[in-house]
Amino acid sequence: DQQVKQNSPSLSVQEGRISILNCDYTNSMFDYFLWYKKYPAEGPTFLISISSIKDKNEDGRFTVFLNKSAKHLSLHIVPSQPGDSAVYFCAAARVTGGGNKLTFGTGTQLKVEL
Amino acid sequence: EPEVTQTPSHQVTQMGQEVILRCVPISNHLYFYWYRQILGQKVEFLVSFYNNEISEKSEIFDDQFSVERPDGSNFTLKIRSTKLEDSAMYFCASRRGLAGGLNEQFFGPGTRLTVL
Repeated sequence: DQQVKQNSPSLSVQEGRISILNCDYTNSMFDYFLWYKKYPAEGPTFLISISSIKDKNEDGRFTVFLNKSAKHLSLHIVPSQPGDSAVYFCAAARVTGGGNKLTFGTGTQLKVEL
Repeated sequence: EPEVTQTPSHQVTQMGQEVILRCVPISNHLYFYWYRQILGQKVEFLVSFYNNEISEKSEIFDDQFSVERPDGSNFTLKIRSTKLEDSAMYFCASRRGLAGGLNEQFFGPGTRLTVL
């Protein structure tokens, strides 16, 4: 089941610079997208979400962009901080007419270096 | 800040034994979920629960699995006869779920299940 893909298993960024994490999906029925951050041996922590009726949502240092025609979303973190180092998962759901179950990508390990 | 809690944090069991994983969702949430993550793999949906019944389940959620909300606060996942391949992190999640919004799911810290 490859409905949600994160093609970069890892990303390394310098502190203070922008981190851009990417995610692609194939199921056009998805209408809600989320980003989660995960540390080892902990549960996913919700970061930010976006509905398919929008193309951008911003919350502090985190911005999510959605390109529906390309079935692509990205998470921008500006400025990146060492505490942002974690695995980032994108997830997609079908809210309208669906049960809202989340389909996750494989994750991208972000390392923010000093 | 309210959070989802799970117990135990780690459960070791023998193959063929029954296990019950426990979760306390956020108190005003209406929708409850179980997911699992096998080491090195994706987080996978198992089951969703609303209004005291299963609303959706995955192919993984076969007859060996069951869920229950025995009281107003707990949400449990039971595996009747564990197999080696059930070894994974099991995450509980809950969602407020009101019309027009609040679709985010909030996850607990997980239970690591090890089947020997």
